[in-house]
Amino acid sequence: AQTVTQSQPEMSVQEAETVTLSCTYDTSENNYYLFWYKQPPSRQMILVIRQEAYKQQNATENRFSVNFQKAAKSFSLKISDSQLGDTAMYFCAFMAPNNAGNMLTFGGGTRLMVKP
Amino acid sequence: NAGVTQTPKFRVLKTGQSMTLLCAQDMNHEYMYWYRQDPGMGLRLIHYSVGEGTTAKGEVPDGYNVSRLKKQNFLLGLESAAPSQTSVYFCASSYLYTQYFGPGTRLTVL
Repeated sequence: AQTVTQSQPEMSVQEAETVTLSCTYDTSENNYYLFWYKQPPSRQMILVIRQEAYKQQNATENRFSVNFQKAAKSFSLKISDSQLGDTAMYFCAFMAPNNAGNMLTFGGGTRLMVKP
Repeated sequence: NAGVTQTPKFRVLKTGQSMTLLCAQDMNHEYMYWYRQDPGMGLRLIHYSVGEGTTAKGEVPDGYNVSRLKKQNFLLGLESAAPSQTSVYFCASSYLYTQYFGPGTRLTVL
């Protein structure tokens, strides 16, 4: 079974600064996908970024980038130039293809507060 | 495209009552999922479906039933609601290993 751990329950950052959210996972699979989802107060789960384990290059999406360390089983999210709209819960998630319908296993989340 | 929609958005039940949550997607996705999110936690998989007419159990299936009679719809049923089922319920559909979520249903069981 896979497990996902987010060790930072809460974080805060000043507007325009950079913040990094941590995520570690445990798996015996070699082929898998990792995701970061954002959940603002509206409750909607929004996909932020996705990383395929077979790709060595770290994924980036505008101000969001990841540091994927496969050997260390680490998958951190870096948010550059933080904006007030980035205030939300952030969830790291793991998926191994063909495992229980490609289900997602979520971490416990990190609550991020962006301060003006 | 509306994406993934859920009905209703909020519901309050009394212990022992039954209800059905409806999830609909207009993206022609084969895979659909029901998750629950308890306070301060990530989502946990209740049931899933890999295609019309198929369903399977996830991590926390007890007390729930599902049906996928049409490809675009995935129903979650509670036959006899219990206070432990108070939660936020999310439906999702997936394409190429990425899941897209509905807006959630907040269910309170008194």
